[in-house]
Amino acid sequence: DTGVSQDPRHKITKRGQNVTFRCDPISEHNRLYWYRQTLGQGPEFLTYFQNEAQLEKSRLLSDRFSAERPKGSFSTLEIQRTEQGDSAMYLCASSLRTGTLVYEQYFGPGTRLTVT
Amino acid sequence: AQTVTQSQPEMSVQEAETVTLSCTYDTSENNYYLFWYKQPPSRQMILVIRQEAYKQQNATENRFSVNFQKAAKSFSLKISDSQLGDTAMYFCAFMIGTNAGKSTFGDGTTLTVKP
Repeated sequence: DTGVSQDPRHKITKRGQNVTFRCDPISEHNRLYWYRQTLGQGPEFLTYFQNEAQLEKSRLLSDRFSAERPKGSFSTLEIQRTEQGDSAMYLCASSLRTGTLVYEQYFGPGTRLTVT
Repeated sequence: AQTVTQSQPEMSVQEAETVTLSCTYDTSENNYYLFWYKQPPSRQMILVIRQEAYKQQNATENRFSVNFQKAAKSFSLKISDSQLGDTAMYFCAFMIGTNAGKSTFGDGTTLTVKP
């Protein structure tokens, strides 16, 4: 399977705990995106990387959220001191950009986070 | 800031018939891309169709086609010969072309195809 993969698929945690999610993009894709999706809503942008550089962060990404893509391949999204409002589906997507050519984003299956 | 509005939270269609999903957007940009994504129940999001704003010709992909009205900032999706497998949530999305970063999504339309 050469699609975008995410791990874990489901995570239940208690309020105040830290959680970390992993995303493995399609291997030749240089861009990687994180979105958050709550029930009945469209995905909301959190952040994105080109190779290892984090190019943009949403205002939604509070100080408790941090994302990394250290070697320009997989990425991790960490949430510290989780709150019930963090419960959502966290989606990862990847795409290829070469020069001025833009290619569509391919999404992973998501990690569903439940904070109790 | 860009906004994407899908005014139809839910729609249904009989199998084999045609349905059109609406999407409007607001932007001051001239170079951008528009997408329709499909998210089946409990399954991951997949791209249905894309449209470059500089292209006047409407995009088509088999049974899926769009009606892109740039001046009206409208981007509707037409599904012909609807199939049971088309049952899903459909999201309209916008992306600025100059840096091709984030996509802005609408809140989706839940489409049910009835046998």
